[in-house]
Amino acid sequence: AQKVTQAQTEISVVEKEDVTLDCVYETRDTTYYLFWYKQPPSGELVFLIRRNSFDEQNEISGRYSWNFQKSTSSFNFTITASQVVDSAVYFCALSGFTGNQFYFGTGTSLTVIP
Amino acid sequence: DADVTQTPRNRITKTGKRIMLECSQTKGHDRMYWYRQDPGLGLRLIYYSFDVKDINKGEISDGYSVSRQAQAKFSLSLESAIPNQTALYFCATSDSGQGEETQYFGPGTRLLVL
Repeated sequence: AQKVTQAQTEISVVEKEDVTLDCVYETRDTTYYLFWYKQPPSGELVFLIRRNSFDEQNEISGRYSWNFQKSTSSFNFTITASQVVDSAVYFCALSGFTGNQFYFGTGTSLTVIP
Repeated sequence: DADVTQTPRNRITKTGKRIMLECSQTKGHDRMYWYRQDPGLGLRLIYYSFDVKDINKGEISDGYSVSRQAQAKFSLSLESAIPNQTALYFCATSDSGQGEETQYFGPGTRLLVL
């Protein structure tokens, strides 16, 4: 079965703090893909990153970084020096090898307090 | 112009009415999807289509139907709307291929069924 768990429902941090959003996945596929999306208060879904199961290198993009660990089936997302504009709901998603379906987590609502 | 557009953006309807939500894309993607988002449940797949002649049920297709009129157009219909279909509906597209393709989302349609 394919499943994505985002155990953190809501997180609040003060501006400039670092914050990590957790994502744990389950899959029987040996080849799979992981994604993060951001949903700001305006409601649209913005693609942030895609990772395939063969690439465990961590990735950094500005203040964003992602830590992929197959050993723990986790794909965590860290925002460094958070800003108010980072306030949003963040979704982690999993796609299997056939690409028939995305499996979304239930999302983590991040509030950055000025 | 946006690559994936949805009309209407907001809709209020009454129980028992038939309504149609429309999605158009200019990305040239073969695959199109309809999701609904409910608070605390993340996104759930309603239907998906891998090309004009291909329609597949997703996780929660009951009460919905779809039509793929062209490569660029994918419509979602609620034959007889009920209040628990009140949700935020997203259309998404992706390129053909294996699971690595990213899904790109439209801006969403907020539907309220009274």
